[in-house]
Amino acid sequence: QVQLVESGGGVVQPGRSLRLSCAASGFSFRSYAMHWVRQAPGKGLEWVAFISYNGGNKYYADSVKGRVTISRDNSQNRVYLEVSGLKTEDTAVYYCARGGFRGGWSLDYWGQGTLVTVSS
Amino acid sequence: QSALTQPASVSGSPGQSITISCTGTNSDVGGYDYVSWFQQHPGKAPKLMIYEVNNRPSGVSDRFSGSKSGNTASLTISGLQTEDEADYYCTSYTTSSALVFGGGTRLTVL
Repeated sequence: QVQLVESGGGVVQPGRSLRLSCAASGFSFRSYAMHWVRQAPGKGLEWVAFISYNGGNKYYADSVKGRVTISRDNSQNRVYLEVSGLKTEDTAVYYCARGGFRGGWSLDYWGQGTLVTVSS
Repeated sequence: QSALTQPASVSGSPGQSITISCTGTNSDVGGYDYVSWFQQHPGKAPKLMIYEVNNRPSGVSDRFSGSKSGNTASLTISGLQTEDEADYYCTSYTTSSALVFGGGTRLTVL
């Protein structure tokens, strides 16, 4: 069955960087686009980034553009999200999700998320 | 990338039907058929309920249906059950090659 497992979260000081990882299994990872979505405590969902099946196309939310980099390693079945210049408002649960169906813009499977807390 | 507009809350009794709206613009909801709906229970990851406006993934109850008219998409849940009580989010592809979410709707089953 499809499984997505995020890791790399924790408590980080403002201004530092962090790399999140998402391990995928149960499907042909190299055939699917992948996304990162975050959710601040008690708030709604916010889309963060998209990467196409082969890494050739990457798109970012305006709110994080310039501070976030999405990447993938199809040999390791992993997708990554690097966030630099962390701010307190980046505190959130970060989910990776598979981009299923036509075009890869429907998020059909989600991981359980990893919590990032930005605090001094 | 302004958030799509959803009502903050809706409620209904078991067995009734409810509809949650999701209003955007010509640059997102009105311009593409990449509208999805997600259900999220407290402390859990979101679950895809509807994709591409009106398609149900395998395993999702046919009590859930989606539609779109102009810049507004809708999720209808018929035959409400207590387990339907959750937060619901819509999302749409945009002209900026991005996704935008709605603010979320809390469904209470009375």
